[in-house]
Amino acid sequence: SFALTQPPSVSVSPGQTASITCSGDKLGNKYTSWYRQRPGQPPVLVMYEDRKRPSGIPDRFSGSSTGNTATLIISGTQAMDEADYYCQSWDFSTSSVVFGGGTTLTVL
Amino acid sequence: QLQESGPGLVKPSETLSLTCIVSGGSINSSTDYWAWIRQPPGKGLEWIGYIFYSGSTYSNASLKSRARMSVDTSKNQFSLNLTSVTAADTAVYYCARRVGDFNRPSFDSWGQGILVTVSS
Repeated sequence: SFALTQPPSVSVSPGQTASITCSGDKLGNKYTSWYRQRPGQPPVLVMYEDRKRPSGIPDRFSGSSTGNTATLIISGTQAMDEADYYCQSWDFSTSSVVFGGGTTLTVL
Repeated sequence: QLQESGPGLVKPSETLSLTCIVSGGSINSSTDYWAWIRQPPGKGLEWIGYIFYSGSTYSNASLKSRARMSVDTSKNQFSLNLTSVTAADTAVYYCARRVGDFNRPSFDSWGQGILVTVSS
């Protein structure tokens, strides 16, 4: 079945660029959304349709998708970006929403 | 805005019942679906399913038809019933709004979540 794989953790220094990947079979042919979840809070949509930012999300956040991998890129990373990030896509074969396992972004 | 409500404790083999009230907009949207997503403690997100105002649904086959969703347009709310629960169903349950076309769904508004524990 269609599955999305994320690295469990990513570390980045303040001000640097963080890249969080999400891998799945032919993911570049589908659309990927990304969510940020801070501790004790519900997820927040930060990217949809691979590279579109919802209103209120700073332009430090960008997205790309090609081949089997979608990537969320956070430039000029700040302490407030520390959170868990989840990718999500649609499985045509089962008509189901699929989430990745999540990546913990640490800013240190 | 979305707000979940329901019991925080359910006994094994019983039915978990949750309701989500939608405020600030109509559940009778011609484009949006209304979703349930859960998150076991310390784990990732799992999609349960979503429902259209007309009653049509999509759900996660891994739940083996235990999840039943309904919508009450007169009260602007939708509900989840999860039958035959076990400890594995212990999770924070979120309701959310699904936007986007059929093949490009995303969830742009979420409730705060409600922790449901399955225990005798």
